[in-house]
Amino acid sequence: AQSVAQPEDQVNVAEGNPLTVKCTYSVSGNPYLFWYVQYPNRGLQFLLKYITGDNLVKGSYGFEAEFNKSQTSFHLKKPSALVSDSALYFCAVRDPDKLIFGTGTRLQVFP
Amino acid sequence: GAVVSQHPSRVICKSGTSVKIECRSLDFQATTMFWYRQFPKQSLMLMATSNEGSKATYEQGVEKDKFLINHASLTLSTLTVTSAHPEDSSFYICSARDLGLAGGQSYEQYFGPGTRLTVT
Repeated sequence: AQSVAQPEDQVNVAEGNPLTVKCTYSVSGNPYLFWYVQYPNRGLQFLLKYITGDNLVKGSYGFEAEFNKSQTSFHLKKPSALVSDSALYFCAVRDPDKLIFGTGTRLQVFP
Repeated sequence: GAVVSQHPSRVICKSGTSVKIECRSLDFQATTMFWYRQFPKQSLMLMATSNEGSKATYEQGVEKDKFLINHASLTLSTLTVTSAHPEDSSFYICSARDLGLAGGQSYEQYFGPGTRLTVT
């Protein structure tokens, strides 16, 4: 079965600093990987996806993710964090017609 | 584009009553919708996959007689929590796949804003 793991429950970063939210995956075949963000009491918003092509995927709100096949990782990154980026972030993998989500990482950006 | 709505956003009901939650895709057609449940500070748990015009597919451990799903059109799926109990209190989120995006093969899902159910 496909799965993703988010090893960090929470990530703290100062505003203006780069941020990374980690995700590793375990799949059979080619992975379809996604990142979503959830603000309090809201549904999830799609950020970006990797299906094929360039390993660096650019998404919404200045986020990007790097697909690394050798390390089976799909880390979410942003060069300069904003306080408004504070939210819950989920990595997900397709399996095969549904999405399997990681446990989520809470990102806290402090001024 | 790709907007999904849910109604109601918040509902409080008494134990033993039934509650219906609607999920609508506003600007696209969705042959497949998904229902999730999210407990506080936890990830999403997929409850069932709802297919337009056919029976829903429930995940293991989810009681299909308790959580009734109907997907009567390409833009509407409903989840009815029957004979609700306090342990059913949770945040319920639906999502939909846009059939129009690469024939529905993009696999990304668009999520509704969620429904907070409280059973007293």
